[in-house]
Amino acid sequence: AQSVTQLDSHVSVSEGTPVLLRCNYSSSYSPSLFWYVQHPNKGLQLLLKYTSAATLVKGINGFEAEFKKSETSFHLTKPSAHMSDAAEYFCVVNHSGYSTLTFGKGTMLLVSP
Amino acid sequence: DGGITQSPKYLFRKEGQNVTLSCEQNLNHDAMYWYRQDPGQGLRLIYYSQIVNDFQKGDIAEGYSVSREKKESFPLTVTSAQKNPTAFYLCASSIGRDRDNQPQHFGDGTRLSIL
Repeated sequence: AQSVTQLDSHVSVSEGTPVLLRCNYSSSYSPSLFWYVQHPNKGLQLLLKYTSAATLVKGINGFEAEFKKSETSFHLTKPSAHMSDAAEYFCVVNHSGYSTLTFGKGTMLLVSP
Repeated sequence: DGGITQSPKYLFRKEGQNVTLSCEQNLNHDAMYWYRQDPGQGLRLIYYSQIVNDFQKGDIAEGYSVSREKKESFPLTVTSAQKNPTAFYLCASSIGRDRDNQPQHFGDGTRLSIL
């Protein structure tokens, strides 16, 4: 079975400071991993995806994530938070051969001025 | 512009009623999905369809039904058997089967409430 754990339900940062949202996954096979962002009352928007190419993945809006197989982690980072980054973020895993995705429970990012 | 359209944005249901949520996509995707979102629980899969005229139950299919008569459309019916239907419902699509590293594209959701 595939699973994903987002280690923090809420993360608070000040504008201009770094962002770290943590994600660990369980894997029996080579996974594909995604980060999505959701603003209030909206659908999910893809930030970035890892599919066994480079382990450091760059996404939209200055976000990036690093795949670490030894730690089974796929943490999302951004060097400098912006007020518009305030939203809920989901880490998602798909294992080869599975036709569906498994979502983490989400991390709410709060950005203060 | 290609995308996924969900309607209505807000929906109210009386006790004992069935209601149908619409999902239409013009991305030419084979696979479509329905999720339910509750606060603090992430997204849970209700039903999915990898091809026209075929669909499979997800993790929480009880009290829901779907059809897939056209590639573009995947309506979800919330039946009276669903005892706790108040939630935010999201529809998604992806290129299709055997493409398990492809992301899903999401609509903007329908918020269903009980009167």
